[in-house]
Amino acid sequence: QVQMEQSGAEVRKSGSSVKISCKTSGKTFYDHAVSWMRQTPGQRPEWMGRIIPLHGKTDYAQKFKNRVTLIADTSTTTVYLDLSSLTSDDTAFYYCAREASASFDSWGQGTLVIVSS
Amino acid sequence: DIQMTQSPSSLSASVGDKVTITCRASQNIRSWLNWYQQKPGQAPNLLINGASRLQGGVPLRFSGSISGANFTLTINSLQPEDVATYYCQQSNDTPFTFGPGTKVDI
Repeated sequence: QVQMEQSGAEVRKSGSSVKISCKTSGKTFYDHAVSWMRQTPGQRPEWMGRIIPLHGKTDYAQKFKNRVTLIADTSTTTVYLDLSSLTSDDTAFYYCAREASASFDSWGQGTLVIVSS
Repeated sequence: DIQMTQSPSSLSASVGDKVTITCRASQNIRSWLNWYQQKPGQAPNLLINGASRLQGGVPLRFSGSISGANFTLTINSLQPEDVATYYCQQSNDTPFTFGPGTKVDI
């Protein structure tokens, strides 16, 4: 069973930033890309970007390009999402997911981020 | 960006019914289409990738197909545990995009 273990819920003020972690297995870290999505209740998931941890190569959705940074830590096989300049529109569940065969075959449990003004 | 549409947005069916959900992309995505099931409070779960490849552990009553520009998810003999929202997702090009979802009730 592939494990994607995410960090816990966060509460932030508008204008601040948040960093969410996604702990993966070694095999996932070195053999797969990891994508990040976010989702608000009743809405479809929204893809934010991906990272190939082995190389550190990233690809971001244009919408988030100026505010999102994805980082891979090889020492802990953990991937991080850093989102800056938060607004209330960023209140959502954030998910990491492993990419395999051009699909997301294993997801983290989700991290709730609440942004208050 | 590739836009994904789904129909219907919701449906209610009886146990044992055959259910069909349709998904379309705004441009040619070949067979780069995946289906996910999401239950309340849970992350999405991959059911089918490559338009028709059933994932391991997914019941055989689920199937996916392509007909022209339409992708279809079929649930043969709907079961109570199939109550969920179903999303299609294209992986032809980034940004990867999802359909708006189809909520299935019994």
